[in-house]
Amino acid sequence: DTGVSQDPRHKITKRGQNVTFRCDPISEHNRLYWYRQTLGQGPEFLTYFQNEAQLEKSRLLSDRFSAERPKGSFSTLEIQRTEQGDSAMYLCASSPRGGGGGTDTQYFGPGTRLTVL
Amino acid sequence: AQKITQTQPGMFVQEKEAVTLDCTYDTSDPSYGLFWYKQPSSGEMIFLIYQGSYDQQNATEGRYSLNFQKARKSANLVISASQLGDSAMYFCAMREVNYGGATNKLIFGTGTLLAVQP
Repeated sequence: DTGVSQDPRHKITKRGQNVTFRCDPISEHNRLYWYRQTLGQGPEFLTYFQNEAQLEKSRLLSDRFSAERPKGSFSTLEIQRTEQGDSAMYLCASSPRGGGGGTDTQYFGPGTRLTVL
Repeated sequence: AQKITQTQPGMFVQEKEAVTLDCTYDTSDPSYGLFWYKQPSSGEMIFLIYQGSYDQQNATEGRYSLNFQKARKSANLVISASQLGDSAMYFCAMREVNYGGATNKLIFGTGTLLAVQP
């Protein structure tokens, strides 16, 4: 399977705990995105990497959130001191080097569903 | 600010019939991209079809076609010959163009839940 993979698929944690999610993009894709999706809503952009550089962060990404892509391959998203409002589906997507048009299509992973009790 | 509007929270369609899912968008940028994704109950977002703002013809991908009306700022998805497996949430999305360095982040609508009835 050469699609985007995410681990874990589900995570249940207690309020105040730290959690970390991993995303492995499609191997030839150099762009990687994180989105958050709450119930009944479309995904909302969190952050974006081009290779190992984090080029943009949403205002949704509070200081409790941090994302890395150390070698320009896989990425991790960490949430510190989780709150109940962090409960959501966290989606990762990747796209190939920008060339305009449909070549910038983002392909999504299966997501990590986080539940904070 | 760029915005995507999907006004149909839910739709029913009979198997083998065609269905149109509405999407309108708002942007002041002349260059943009429009996407449709399908999200089954399992959660993954599946890319269906893409339309560029400068494309002269409506995009088609198998049973999916995009009815692109630029002047009306609409990009409706048409699914022909609906199948039971088409039952899912459908999201319209727009790619933002940042002239300082395109990030290509997507802005999504709230989705339409399609139920295909046998």
